[in-house]
Amino acid sequence: QVQLVESGGGVVQPGGSLRLSCAASGFAFSSFGMHWVRQAPGKGLEWVAVSSYDGTKTFYADSVKGRLTVSRDSSKNTLFLQMNSLRPEDTAVYYCAKDLSSGDYLGAMDIWGRGTKVTVSS
Amino acid sequence: DIVMTQSPDSLAVSLGERATIDCKSSQSVLYSSNNLNYLAWYQHKSGQPPKLLVYWASTRQSGVPDRFSGSGSGTNFTLTISSLQAEDVALYYCQQYYNTPSLTFGGGTKVEIK
Repeated sequence: QVQLVESGGGVVQPGGSLRLSCAASGFAFSSFGMHWVRQAPGKGLEWVAVSSYDGTKTFYADSVKGRLTVSRDSSKNTLFLQMNSLRPEDTAVYYCAKDLSSGDYLGAMDIWGRGTKVTVSS
Repeated sequence: DIVMTQSPDSLAVSLGERATIDCKSSQSVLYSSNNLNYLAWYQHKSGQPPKLLVYWASTRQSGVPDRFSGSGSGTNFTLTISSLQAEDVALYYCQQYYNTPSLTFGGGTKVEIK
């Protein structure tokens, strides 16, 4: 069945780095844009980044621009989020999500993973 | 960025009764060339991933019960649960995808059983 499974979360000190992964199965990964969305403790959903279906276009929320980088490996059906210069305010559950529409991306998200927790604390 | 404002923050409804959630966008999300509203609704249950309920403001996602319906246009939108069931207890979010790639969500509405 269609599935997204995130991994790579953990506890990291401020200024540190983490690399999140999202393994996709059950659909044509290379045909769809993919998003990262996060939820900080007690807060709502916040869109973080998107990769177009082929990885040639990536866009970021202003809050993470220059520190987080989204990429994808279509040979492994996997989406990544490289997180550098982490701050306490990056503490959140990070979800990967599949775009509803094939092609670059539409912006609605129809399949979500269960998320991976990132804690930035000294 | 387009700011999405949901109301109320929370509501308690009796089983079988109607629940209504409002969402307002700071600018229109209606694309005039195709007459589509770039607005989605999601359900987020504790410990589970968010679930897409409605897109294009009123198109129900496959598999979503027909007690869920979306309406509205331009800047004002509503998600209605016509007959609340116990399994509908969740947070509900609206999201605009008009101003891509800067996607924004509303603050969320918590739905509980009265």
